[in-house]
Amino acid sequence: GEDVEQSLFLSVREGDSSVINCTYTDSSSTYLYWYKQEPGAGLQLLTYIFSNMDMKQDQRLTVLLNKKDKHLSLRIADTQTGDSAIYFCAETLRSNDYKLSFGAGTTVTVRA
Amino acid sequence: NAGVTQTPKFQVLKTGQSMTLQCAQDMNHEYMSWYRQDPGMGLRLIHYSVGAGITDQGEVPNGYNVSRSTTEDFPLRLLSAAPSQTSVYFCASSYKGQGVNRHGYTFGSGTRLTVV
Repeated sequence: GEDVEQSLFLSVREGDSSVINCTYTDSSSTYLYWYKQEPGAGLQLLTYIFSNMDMKQDQRLTVLLNKKDKHLSLRIADTQTGDSAIYFCAETLRSNDYKLSFGAGTTVTVRA
Repeated sequence: NAGVTQTPKFQVLKTGQSMTLQCAQDMNHEYMSWYRQDPGMGLRLIHYSVGAGITDQGEVPNGYNVSRSTTEDFPLRLLSAAPSQTSVYFCASSYKGQGVNRHGYTFGSGTRLTVV
């Protein structure tokens, strides 16, 4: 089965880089996603990575995937107050791409 | 382009009452899903549909029913509300196949339900 784990909290100073980590257990993952949830809102897709890639960069966001260790990370460069939110790691599996399996979410707090 | 629309945004129910959470999307997405979000547990899949007329159970289906008579609508029915169903409910939709892989799911803004 699938299981996605994340640390629950991260505090970072404005202007520093944030790194949010995620581990997953199912080696048949096809795509891995990072979603952002602002207070009172739904989830917004930030970025994704295909399981045969090691890295993906998109402006301030860098996703690193270590398939051997089943470890995914999201780095946010130059963190701003608007980056304060809950960040969810999620995966879809080759066998059932209709289903997203989510981690519990990491609450990122940006302090001045 | 409205995306995924959920109604109501807030609801308080008494134990034993029934109600329907509405979800509509205007993107012609094949896949639609209902998730519930509880603190420290991420989002858990309640029911999903891969197309009109097709529905199936997710991880936590007990106490909920769904139907998919059209591509656009995917209502979630609570049959007899219980305090354990107090949660935030999200509807989401996506293209299928390579579409869901590359674009992920589009989420509604959620329904916050309290059962007393």
